[in-house]
Amino acid sequence: AQSVSQHNHHVILSEAASLELGCNYSYGGTVNLFWYVQYPGQHLQLLLKYFSGDPLVKGIKGFEAEFIKSKFSFNLRKPSVQWSDTAEYFCAVSSYNQGGKLIFGQGTELSVKP
Amino acid sequence: KAGVTQTPRYLIKTRGQQVTLSCSPISGHRSVSWYQQTPGQGLQFLFEYFSETQRNKGNFPGRFSGRQFSNSRSEMNVSTLELGDSALYLCASSAPRVQETQYFGPGTRLLVL
Repeated sequence: AQSVSQHNHHVILSEAASLELGCNYSYGGTVNLFWYVQYPGQHLQLLLKYFSGDPLVKGIKGFEAEFIKSKFSFNLRKPSVQWSDTAEYFCAVSSYNQGGKLIFGQGTELSVKP
Repeated sequence: KAGVTQTPRYLIKTRGQQVTLSCSPISGHRSVSWYQQTPGQGLQFLFEYFSETQRNKGNFPGRFSGRQFSNSRSEMNVSTLELGDSALYLCASSAPRVQETQYFGPGTRLLVL
């Protein structure tokens, strides 16, 4: 069965610090990969996605993620976080032919201190 | 385009009752998926509907059911509510392509007393 693991449950950073959130998945076939963000009181929003091609994908608000197939990883990065990045971040995977079924990681809560 | 809308936004029920939640997808989207979000279990897939047919199903008991109408609007129903059904129920819609991006609604927060 597919599974997604996010290693960090709660990350606390100061503004301007760099961010990297880990995500590993377990699935042997072709996958689509996503990072979603949930700001306090708001609904889940798509940050970025990977379907195929360049393994380094850029998303909104300066976020990027790198797909490393050999490591089954899709880590999220941002060079300099802002207070407004405080939110919960979810990594998600769908198999190529089951796009309507997302398997989510447990989420990482990011707190950015001003 | 208007986003995914869900009604009601908040709901309080008692154990043993049943509840129906509604989801209107983004215009043109024909796939609707439902998820349950709880602090303990995180986000879990319930089921997906496409063209009025259930296409995928998660590991939830039969008390959880859904349906989709010809206009792609979807409803999910939970019968015989239990305390553990208290959760945020999220609906997501996507276009009917093999590589799909799901867009989420604001959710319905259900509290079972």
